[in-house]
Amino acid sequence: EVQLVQSGAEVKKPGESLKISCKGSEYSFANYWIAWVRQMPGKGLEWMGMIFYGDSDTRYSPSFQGQITISADKSINTAYLQWNNLKASDTAIYYCARGSSGWGFDPWGQGTLVTVSS
Amino acid sequence: SYELTQPLSVSVVLGQTARITCGVNNIGGKNVHWYQQKPGQAPVLVIYKDTNRPSGIPERFSGSNSGNTATLTITRAQAGDEADYYCQVWGSGTYVFGTGTKVTVL
Repeated sequence: EVQLVQSGAEVKKPGESLKISCKGSEYSFANYWIAWVRQMPGKGLEWMGMIFYGDSDTRYSPSFQGQITISADKSINTAYLQWNNLKASDTAIYYCARGSSGWGFDPWGQGTLVTVSS
Repeated sequence: SYELTQPLSVSVVLGQTARITCGVNNIGGKNVHWYQQKPGQAPVLVIYKDTNRPSGIPERFSGSNSGNTATLTITRAQAGDEADYYCQVWGSGTYVFGTGTKVTVL
């Protein structure tokens, strides 16, 4: 069974940096995208961006461009989502999910809760 | 970008049929995917490419897409179907999720 396992919950202060991870098991990511999705407290899903493992092609939502960095380490089947200057408004659950062109996101990671508070 | 409009909530009597719509101009020309999210859990793909069910998703879940509206239909609704449902499309170089619909089974 394909699984995505995300890193644990984080509590940070405004202005700090953070990198969270998403590790895939039992298969190679080579022909898939890994997407990141934000869900703010009590709100809906927002696509942030994605990375294609085969060639590290990366796409960002205009809403998040310049605010985050998506990267990957193919050797360990792990994708990352990074911030350099966290804000209180970054408080949310962040999900990773595997995608293939036209096929939707499946499976999803369990989510990583990020809390940014002074 | 554009917004995919969903009703805020849909109520369905146990055992009856629920229909959740997702609207935008010419959505019929795009692939639509649907996700179910139960409280405290990650989303789960229930329909991909308009009408297809992933392995393990009950036949009670079906999808259609035409014109300006895509629809997720849940037949013989069960208590376990209570959840938030989101549609999703790819367009203009970005993925967009719908606004989300809370389904309540009465």
